[in-house]
Amino acid sequence: AQSVAQPEDQVNVAEGNPLTVKCTYSVSGNPYLFWYVQYPNRGLQFLLKYITGDNLVKGSYGFEAEFNKSQTSFHLKKPSALVSDSALYFCAVTWTPGGYNKLIFGAGTRLAVHP
Amino acid sequence: GEEVAQTPKHLVRGEGQKAKLYCAPIKGHSYVFWYQQVLKNEFKFLISFQNENVFDETGMPKERFSAKCLPNSPCSLEIQATKLEDSAVYFCASGPPGRPHEQYFGPGTRLTVT
Repeated sequence: AQSVAQPEDQVNVAEGNPLTVKCTYSVSGNPYLFWYVQYPNRGLQFLLKYITGDNLVKGSYGFEAEFNKSQTSFHLKKPSALVSDSALYFCAVTWTPGGYNKLIFGAGTRLAVHP
Repeated sequence: GEEVAQTPKHLVRGEGQKAKLYCAPIKGHSYVFWYQQVLKNEFKFLISFQNENVFDETGMPKERFSAKCLPNSPCSLEIQATKLEDSAVYFCASGPPGRPHEQYFGPGTRLTVT
């Protein structure tokens, strides 16, 4: 079955330090990978995606993610965390062929950035 | 519009009552997706449309859930005879022609079944 794993319920980082939020996936075809952020009582905001091409993708607000096919991972990174980055982060995948563009989400990782 | 619009923001229903949620996709987008986010943040895909046609309904609990996307009307998700476990936030997302994997999410409708 297709799945996404976010192994950490919460990640704590000091402001100014680099952050990593982990994601691994399992799909039967070629993955399309996404990161979304959710602030309290808000919808999901798109951060970045990997479809094809360069394994390092850059997105909104200084975030980037690296696609690693051999490790089936798509970790989210940022060189210097801000307190305003504190939110809930979701990794999602669809796949081709056969995924029909429906997104499978991880359970979410809460990022807490301390001043 | 430039954003996905969902109404109402909040909906409270007694168990057994009907609930109807609406979604207006971004203008020009031809794909609409419905997802359910339950209490532990878990997202579940329900159904997708390409224009007014059902594209994938593998996530729908068919006995009580139905959905439509009709021309020139908001899309709708209807739950007949709601149950306590239907309490969740329901998100709609829309995707542009040719790139349905680029999904833009609405703010969600919080359904509380009492």
